[in-house]
Amino acid sequence: AQTVTQSQPEMSVQEAETVTLSCTYDTSENNYYLFWYKQPPSRQMILVIRQEAYKQQNATENRFSVNFQKAAKSFSLKISDSQLGDTAMYFCAFMKHSNFGNEKLTFGTGTRLTIIP
Amino acid sequence: NAGVMQNPRHLVRRRGQEARLRCSPMKGHSHVYWYRQLPEEGLKFMVYLQKENIIDESGMPKERFSAEFPKEGPSILRIQQVVRGDSAAYFCASSPPVAGSYGYTFGSGTRLTVV
Repeated sequence: AQTVTQSQPEMSVQEAETVTLSCTYDTSENNYYLFWYKQPPSRQMILVIRQEAYKQQNATENRFSVNFQKAAKSFSLKISDSQLGDTAMYFCAFMKHSNFGNEKLTFGTGTRLTIIP
Repeated sequence: NAGVMQNPRHLVRRRGQEARLRCSPMKGHSHVYWYRQLPEEGLKFMVYLQKENIIDESGMPKERFSAEFPKEGPSILRIQQVVRGDSAAYFCASSPPVAGSYGYTFGSGTRLTVV
């Protein structure tokens, strides 16, 4: 079974600064996908960024980027030039690859991020 | 493209009543997943369905909980004889037949409160 660990229950940062959220996971799989989801107070789960394990290049989406260290089983999220709208819970998630359809997402417990004006 | 639609948004039930949660997947998606989020926790997988078929129900409690995704209409998560511990946010997600790195698209959830 896979596990996902987010060791920072809460973080806060000044607006416009950079913040990094950590995530580690445990798996015996070699091919899998990793995701960061954002959950603002509206409760909607929003996909922020995704990474395929077979790709060495770190994924980036505008102000969001990841540091994917496969050997260390680490998948941190960096938010640059943070904005007030980034205030939310952030969940790291793992899904193993399957040739036969889809697999379930396994989530970490989340990090509550507050951007301070 | 309306996205994944869940209703109701909020549901209050007394202990012992039944709760029915509905989920309409995104257009073009044929696979549905249900997750439960307890207060201050991450989402926990419950069940994975495609039309008229349960693919994986390894996260479903053995009693009182059931799910279906009929040929026509939304997916339904049914909780019979609700107890206080069932109070949580229930999220539905959908995907195409092969999600891969696409991941899932989530609905806004149904917050169930058992009084």
